[in-house]
Amino acid sequence: DSGVTQTPKHLITATGQRVTLRCSPRSGDLSVYWYQQSLDQGLQFLIHYYNGEERAKGNILERFSAQQFPDLHSELNLSSLELGDSALYFCASSAADRNQPQHFGDGTRLSIL
Amino acid sequence: DAKTTQPTSMDCAEGRAANLPCNHSTISGNEYVYWYRQIHSQGPQYIIHGLKNNETNEMASLIITEDRKSSTLILPHATLRDTAVYYCIVRVALGNDYKLSFGAGTTVTVRA
Repeated sequence: DSGVTQTPKHLITATGQRVTLRCSPRSGDLSVYWYQQSLDQGLQFLIHYYNGEERAKGNILERFSAQQFPDLHSELNLSSLELGDSALYFCASSAADRNQPQHFGDGTRLSIL
Repeated sequence: DAKTTQPTSMDCAEGRAANLPCNHSTISGNEYVYWYRQIHSQGPQYIIHGLKNNETNEMASLIITEDRKSSTLILPHATLRDTAVYYCIVRVALGNDYKLSFGAGTTVTVRA
């Protein structure tokens, strides 16, 4: 158990819809990261938040957005969903020391029908 | 844009040591090497990380060459449950921040 909690574990929805994925970091971790893993691509970094502030963006589509709340949990919002958005979405957290490793949750499996 | 090179796959006999190589010839002086593994579609699991000295924890040992251009992850007594994709990662700079860049990793199959 990494200590990172993601909900829901599975999500099935239709094209054009909007969903919200939730992540609770490990106790004491200030950084939250989001990743996408689809069948034909490896793990792709999406975005990094540190103590409520956006720190870095990776390959995140404009239809996707994220935020980190004062209690440090984070949400990833995916809108105008397309079939290609079907993937595993992972959240990771790390301590303030930027050299400390990231610890990953079990992911949310998103299926677009 | 992964900065590491790993073999695509390797097999290992159960109970034997598994030695997983990784090349990171462009690593900078203050960058760590991180190892993760992913079992099927579970979340990547952190294994170990190191800067220049060899490291050992309850899961594995990490041997980093003196010039830091390569490293080896050692699973001392592989079990069937160690079958996974293993990723060797050096962070990639992204503006004033960094990101973990996961390559294809090494698919390790432990055989009975």
